[in-house]
Amino acid sequence: DGGITQSPKYLFRKEGQNVTLSCEQNLNHDAMYWYRQDPGQGLRLIYYSQIVNDFQKGDIAEGYSVSREKKESFPLTVTSAQKNPTAFYLCASSILNSNSPLHFGNGTRLTVT
Amino acid sequence: AQKVTQAQTEISVVEKEDVTLDCVYETRDTTYYLFWYKQPPSGELVFLIRRNSFDEQNEISGRYSWNFQKSTSSFNFTITASQVVDSAVYFCALSEIDGGSQGNLIFGKGTKLSVKP
Repeated sequence: DGGITQSPKYLFRKEGQNVTLSCEQNLNHDAMYWYRQDPGQGLRLIYYSQIVNDFQKGDIAEGYSVSREKKESFPLTVTSAQKNPTAFYLCASSILNSNSPLHFGNGTRLTVT
Repeated sequence: AQKVTQAQTEISVVEKEDVTLDCVYETRDTTYYLFWYKQPPSGELVFLIRRNSFDEQNEISGRYSWNFQKSTSSFNFTITASQVVDSAVYFCALSEIDGGSQGNLIFGKGTKLSVKP
């Protein structure tokens, strides 16, 4: 089955540590995205990538970094510079066509203490 | 500036009731897309519908229907004869057709629907 896999589902880290969230897709989609979801809030775009080795900042990129070395993979690193990292992180992908629907993974819930 | 407002934070209904989820949007663009996504407890968002700004026809898909009215900038979602499996958070979202970053959907804050047996 084609889809998006995010791992792990739950992640716990100590403050001051960098942590990397995994996102893999086998849908052959060119575009991939990272969103952050906080309780009672909509989704906010962190980073997106439309092609391998290229990515763009979204609305809340500060304190995050990404890489896109392979079409299938778009890992997100939450750095120690992110002041409020505890949140639910969703990865998505789509075909490279303006406004095509996004396909989402199951998300990773990150808790930093 | 673009904005999506889902004024209903939480709605609770009893199974078989009809329920309408409201979505009001703001945009300066004449061309744009509107979306609805469902987020069940498992976490992933599931695409339900996309509507472009030139198509004001209402759409029905089984128990789901959507009412798009440009005059009031609304894109409301109705579930007929609700079921427990409809319990989820529902998001309305807006994007421009040609401008902005792809995937930069503007999401509403979501409406949590609880359907009780």
